[in-house]
Amino acid sequence: DIQMTQSPSSLSASVGDRVTITCRASQSISKHLNWYQQKPGKAPKFLIYVASSLQSGVPSRFSGSGSGTDFTLTISSLLPEDFATYYCQQSHSTPPTFGQGTKLEIK
Amino acid sequence: EVQLVESGEGLVQPGGSLRLSCAASGFTFSSYAMHWVRQAPGKGLEYVSGISSNGGSTYYADSVKGRITISRDNSKNTLYLQMGSLRAEDMAVYYCARDHSVYDLTYNMDVWGQGTTVTVSS
Repeated sequence: DIQMTQSPSSLSASVGDRVTITCRASQSISKHLNWYQQKPGKAPKFLIYVASSLQSGVPSRFSGSGSGTDFTLTISSLLPEDFATYYCQQSHSTPPTFGQGTKLEIK
Repeated sequence: EVQLVESGEGLVQPGGSLRLSCAASGFTFSSYAMHWVRQAPGKGLEYVSGISSNGGSTYYADSVKGRITISRDNSKNTLYLQMGSLRAEDMAVYYCARDHSVYDLTYNMDVWGQGTTVTVSS
């Protein structure tokens, strides 16, 4: 199985900050990388697919980049509604696997 | 509005069985592959199972293989997960999710239900 490792596991930031979350795959996954946002008690929300394509309806302050084994999710200017847990997920090979999550908290 | 609504939540004893359902609306259900993903209390997301749009192809995570069966009824716009030989480690919120692409099993999941809780305890 491909292991997905996110860093950091938690992050404190302020409204207006630019934040970057990193996801590393244990082997090359080309660009088969998705990002999800999850708020407490809610289902995950699909943000980005194939590493850098923004899902319809997702604000442009979210962006993704990377290929191979190293990927990033960037939020250009944090809004209050962005404080949540973020997960990366590879869809390159079965089983699809998720990172452990990055909890983004208000400083 | 595109929507997935899970049902079948329950408390079962270890070794017991449970069937989860996921009712789809707002899109052509028969055109999309579908998935189940679970989340144990306080933990991350774990992929469980997927099924192609016509039901002809299925995938199971090793952790559930042989104990869980995914199926669908395209005439009823409903996805199912039949769970058996349940263990404490199966206790989780189970989400159904739609594949992002029409027809293919790409494992990119763009629409999620609200989740249904499975509790395994004696």
